Amino acid sequence: AQRVTQPEKLLSVFKGAPVELKCNYSYSGSPELFWYVQYSRQRLQLLLRHISRESIKGFTADLNKGETSFHLKKPFAQEEDSAMYYCALTGTASKLTFGTGTRLQVTL
Amino acid sequence: ETGVTQSPTHLIKTRGQQVTLRCSSQSGHNTVSWYQQALGQGPQFIFQYYREEENGRGNFPPRFSGLQFPNYSSELNVNALELDDSALYLCASNSHSGRETQYFGPGTRLLVL
Repeated sequence: AQRVTQPEKLLSVFKGAPVELKCNYSYSGSPELFWYVQYSRQRLQLLLRHISRESIKGFTADLNKGETSFHLKKPFAQEEDSAMYYCALTGTASKLTFGTGTRLQVTL
Repeated sequence: ETGVTQSPTHLIKTRGQQVTLRCSSQSGHNTVSWYQQALGQGPQFIFQYYREEENGRGNFPPRFSGLQFPNYSSELNVNALELDDSALYLCASNSHSGRETQYFGPGTRLLVL
């Protein structure tokens, strides 16, 4: 069975502070990991996926197979980063398994 | 490039009724997946269609059914609606079955009274 755990429902940080959104997963094979973001009144959209190894909007995520984690990080939070963030994985089939999401709130 | 569209945006039904939700996939995409997102939860996979055939199903009862048409648009049908079916229903499309990035529509919010 595949499972994604996001332990924090809400993460509140000050503007300019570092951000780390936690994601742990359970999957017996070799998963593909994603971070999706949903800004207020917008649709769910892909932020990044681990195989592309890109940095999008200053965010990065490293797949740690030993710890089965895929934490999302950004060195300096911006107000426009406030949103709902979902970690997701896909295995051999293309269905996505999502975590319950973490709301990031960036305050001045 | 046209993104994923869904209709209607929201609707209200009563318990026991049937509902049909529609999705138009992004241009060039032949795979459509449906997800249910209950309040405060992440999206849950319902099923996927690839080239008009069901290509995987999540843990949902048979009263959740779907179709994909030759133009790759799709329908989600739910029979005998229950109160717990109240949720946001998301459609996502991608270019082919596999691990390609899925692009999501805005969702249809269903309320069952």
